[in-house]
Formats: sequence, structure tokens, C-alpha cells
Amino acid sequence: DQQVKQNSPSLSVQEGRISILNCDYTNSMFDYFLWYKKYPAEGPTFLISISSIKDKNEDGRFTVFLNKSAKHLSLHIVPSQPGDSAVYFCAASERPNNNDMRFGAGTRLTVKP
Amino acid sequence: DAGVTQSPTHLIKTRGQQVTLRCSPKSGHDTVSWYQQALGQGPQFIFQYYEEEERQRGNFPDRFSGHQFPNYSSELNVNALLLGDSALYLCASSRRQTNQPQHFGDGTRLSIL
Repeated sequence: DQQVKQNSPSLSVQEGRISILNCDYTNSMFDYFLWYKKYPAEGPTFLISISSIKDKNEDGRFTVFLNKSAKHLSLHIVPSQPGDSAVYFCAASERPNNNDMRFGAGTRLTVKP
Repeated sequence: DAGVTQSPTHLIKTRGQQVTLRCSPKSGHDTVSWYQQALGQGPQFIFQYYEEEERQRGNFPDRFSGHQFPNYSSELNVNALLLGDSALYLCASSRRQTNQPQHFGDGTRLSIL
């Protein structure tokens, strides 16, 4: 069951521009959302998270926006850098320490110099 | 401070065989979760171990079993291997009493011939 969906398999942006990665979910019990970044031959690395009591969380160049009524979240990277090129996974769970996270299929971001 | 380590890195088996994958959690972590990532998909939760017991389980058959040792390390066992078990198997660790996100290892690539 695809409870978390990332409908764009890939995204290409120019260095210095904004990258916007989108994620939709269907389970209204999800209360905690995370973004992970994955380079080839490495495990996913935690990037940023947001709980449902917030609609925005910012960490440097990375900002996550949550629209709970639309069951949609997005990750904004600005400015994008070539080193940001990776696969980005959206994940959701019912509680922050609930290890039963549901992942989307990922979006491959390519940032061109 | 070593992160999550998994062994082996790669493994080739044939249908019907059994396999054991190993994981050492990040220092200070006491909870281990296992995920299966098939090609082109996001990680799917298999199960989670805490205090040497299976605490949560995803939608995987009984052929998938695990163990956690007193030093918090963990094993994933898969019996009667099927071609569809070919995937990247990821281990993630966390500390139970915190809301900190999971840390992932680099995974074991399992190929079934």
C-alpha cells in the first residue's frame, strides 16, 4: 500500500536555483514527517523533519513545508548545489520515535553546474 | 564514533537457500530496525528489535526473522530465498527514549540467482 507517494521520479535544476521536491500521503494518522537523502552505495542520511503541529521547518538551505489538510509536504533547497545531487526520500510515521516509517519511492535530484 | 555498520556488503545466493545479515548499531543506540529496499522503491519496514525482542513488524512473511543480542547488535535471517528477495537490506538504529531520527547503515546488497 502506497501511503507515501513521491510522484516525480526525477528532477533536474540549475545550480543556484531552487529545488522543490514534493510528497503526498494518504494516512491521516501520520504525525511526523522526515526527508532523507541517499547517495549511491550509501545508506539514507537524515536531512530534516517536521511534526504536524508545525507547517514549516527550516535548516540552512533546506526548508520543509507541511499542508496537513492537503496531506502534502515539500522540501525546498535554495540555493541548489551540485553536491545536493542525490535521491531524496520522504518518510512518515505516526510518532517521532515510531520506527515503522513509511517511505516514498524517492526523487532523484540532479543539480547541474 | 562509529555509525551503523552492516555486513556483508554484497551477497549472492540461490533460490531456496538461507541468509543471515548482520548489523551493529550506532554507539549509544539500543533499537534496531530492518528495511528492504527493492530497485526503484523506497525502503519498506520489515521489523524492529528492542531489548532483544521483536517489537513491531511490517508486512513480511515468517521467512523473515531476526534477533537482537545483549550488545544491541542484530541479525536478519531469511529462509527459503525467492528471486523477489533480491534487494538492498538496510539496518537503522535509534535510541528508544528519544525522538531523534534513525541512523541508517550502508546496507547489504542481496542478489538471488
